[in-house]
Amino acid sequence: DAGITQSPRHKVTETGTPVTLRCHQTENHRYMYWYRQDPGHGLRLIHYSYGVKDTDKGEVSDGYSVSRSKTEDFLLTLESATSSQTSVYFCAIRAPPGGTGELFFGEGSRLTVL
Amino acid sequence: SQELEQSPQSLIVQEGKNLTINCTSSKTLYGLYWYKQKYGEGLIFLMMLQKGGEEKSHEKITAKLDEKKQQSSLHITASQPSHAGIYLCGAVIPSSGNTPLVFGKGTRLSVIA
Repeated sequence: DAGITQSPRHKVTETGTPVTLRCHQTENHRYMYWYRQDPGHGLRLIHYSYGVKDTDKGEVSDGYSVSRSKTEDFLLTLESATSSQTSVYFCAIRAPPGGTGELFFGEGSRLTVL
Repeated sequence: SQELEQSPQSLIVQEGKNLTINCTSSKTLYGLYWYKQKYGEGLIFLMMLQKGGEEKSHEKITAKLDEKKQQSSLHITASQPSHAGIYLCGAVIPSSGNTPLVFGKGTRLSVIA
């Protein structure tokens, strides 16, 4: 199994509070991703990173920011959580070039915003 | 993503029956990935197809990528309860801008005894 851990795995918070989700990898892979999964929408990309301090937006980036100060950690921050951000968040890392290039996913972080 | 359409959205089959899930794109696919997700868990990589006409199998699951590289099918032979879950296709669609891998909405499979 790819070494990806997400924390926290479950969180309940109130509207307007800041939330940070952490993704930690032990594979030393360059590419890391944050997706959210919602019924009827499937998996949608929030932000991704292609190296330390190198990040880019995905299709649903509004209301989210990310940071990557070390290869192994990719943080997703909701500055002021809203109910529409209630979701399951998945972190993923990508296999290096030369292989199949598949994504390896973490177990997910379930966030509920009341 | 609407760039990848999966059908059906959900499927209930009797144990032992065969089934097929489709993934269709209006654009050429450069790498098509199949994943399985058990309820409440993360996604598990099944297989990747890249060449038109390519076919791969893993245990009782076979995936194909059509010649034009715009559609893939996932076929399960003699389904078992362990096959239950959500199947998602993901693909590299370069014209999607910065989105490196887009996913379909998934097909929810239930297998009943």
